[in-house]
Amino acid sequence: KNQVEQSPQSLIILEGKNCTLQCNYTVSPFSNLRWYKQDTGRGPVSLTIMTFSENTKSNGRYTATLDADTKQSSLHITASQLSDSASYICVVSFDYKLSFGAGTTVTVRA
Amino acid sequence: GAGVSQSPSNKVTEKGKDVELRCDPISGHTALYWYRQSLGQGLEFLIYFQGNSAPDKSGLPSDRFSAERTGGSVSTLTIQRTQQEDSAVYLCASSRRNPSTEAFFGQGTRLTVV
Repeated sequence: KNQVEQSPQSLIILEGKNCTLQCNYTVSPFSNLRWYKQDTGRGPVSLTIMTFSENTKSNGRYTATLDADTKQSSLHITASQLSDSASYICVVSFDYKLSFGAGTTVTVRA
Repeated sequence: GAGVSQSPSNKVTEKGKDVELRCDPISGHTALYWYRQSLGQGLEFLIYFQGNSAPDKSGLPSDRFSAERTGGSVSTLTIQRTQQEDSAVYLCASSRRNPSTEAFFGQGTRLTVV
């Protein structure tokens, strides 16, 4: 069983709307959690990093939250743009190893 | 450049043939990961190398898949007797071994088995 579970697997939203992606993890001990964005045909690129003591971090229209007690993270996209269409991958670092979620594919339509 | 380099970027092969995919990690990165993405699917873990430790091969789907990492740097993923279900994008990532480590990904190799 994967130690990092993401939901939903995919979603479609209209341009200008908001959406929230979920990441649940079971890995322990926990070092940090990153969200990556993967544009079509490209490798994933880091969006945000959160450590155990942080519960929210923003990068432009992207806001990540972390609840280390429940082992849940979310990525909120505000006022979505067509360029936000991508896969978003949650990656948890533990014991010097990275564990990757399967990703959520977001499609933004005009 | 200084990023993770994968080759070839695209590979079309006939069913039953063997293929080798190459990954050049960032210099100094001791950790190396292979993942694959099938059409419409998410990332699927294949194998993880960390320094000189024994690799974590738990994600390899069958004994037709193997990978090695020579000298702690370049890695080669080999698929023997390819099948159509092996068609996917194969991604390689590398990272340093520290608590805040970020994984850097290559562009991937798109493998098509015909």
